[in-house]
Amino acid sequence: AQKITQTQPGMFVQEKEAVTLDCTYDTSDPSYGLFWYKQPSSGEMIFLIYQGSYDQQNATEGRYSLNFQKARKSANLVISASQLGDSAMYFCAMREGKGSARQLTFGSGTQLTVLP
Amino acid sequence: KAGVTQTPRYLIKTRGQQVTLSCSPISGHRSVSWYQQTPGQGLQFLFEYFSETQRNKGNFPGRFSGRQFSNSRSEMNVSTLELGDSALYLCASSLAGIEGEKLFFGSGTQLSVL
Repeated sequence: AQKITQTQPGMFVQEKEAVTLDCTYDTSDPSYGLFWYKQPSSGEMIFLIYQGSYDQQNATEGRYSLNFQKARKSANLVISASQLGDSAMYFCAMREGKGSARQLTFGSGTQLTVLP
Repeated sequence: KAGVTQTPRYLIKTRGQQVTLSCSPISGHRSVSWYQQTPGQGLQFLFEYFSETQRNKGNFPGRFSGRQFSNSRSEMNVSTLELGDSALYLCASSLAGIEGEKLFFGSGTQLSVL
């Protein structure tokens, strides 16, 4: 079974509009972390936002917010006031467990295109 | 503060050769992880190093190996290259690799195997 599912291969949004990128996850571990990364065509993975499984409030980082619905196992990324520079591939990722056995499991990504 | 630096940026090799990729983490970061990104398989975890010790390893054959030096710089080596090894190899660093830490990635090394 997929641990991280991103069902939108591609999304279009008008400049200055808000957009939501979907992410659902699957884990039986009570302790986990959810990440969103942006990958422009240059290849670098840019950290956007992090949500811990025990965090009571939804994470926010500037124009990025994470809509965390634990019971539904979803962690959607919301980008407000889209900019042309937001056009990129976006990956949702999960880190499970405590201790030394940690790694990120990534979804397949969503290609976001911001239209002028 | 300098980011994660990966060298070289591009590599072209032929089947059967071996290759070594280098990663310099952010200053003060002691955990370094490696990921392989391909169009077909997406992003897959290779291994993680902390204080010169491999802490975790993904599901890759033994041809893929790595090490970490005392200054936290890391190298990964792929021996007997196969066409399927063509990929973007990304390195990520974090302070200690503990829960909640952000991972910072480099720009990657694009390996092409001919």
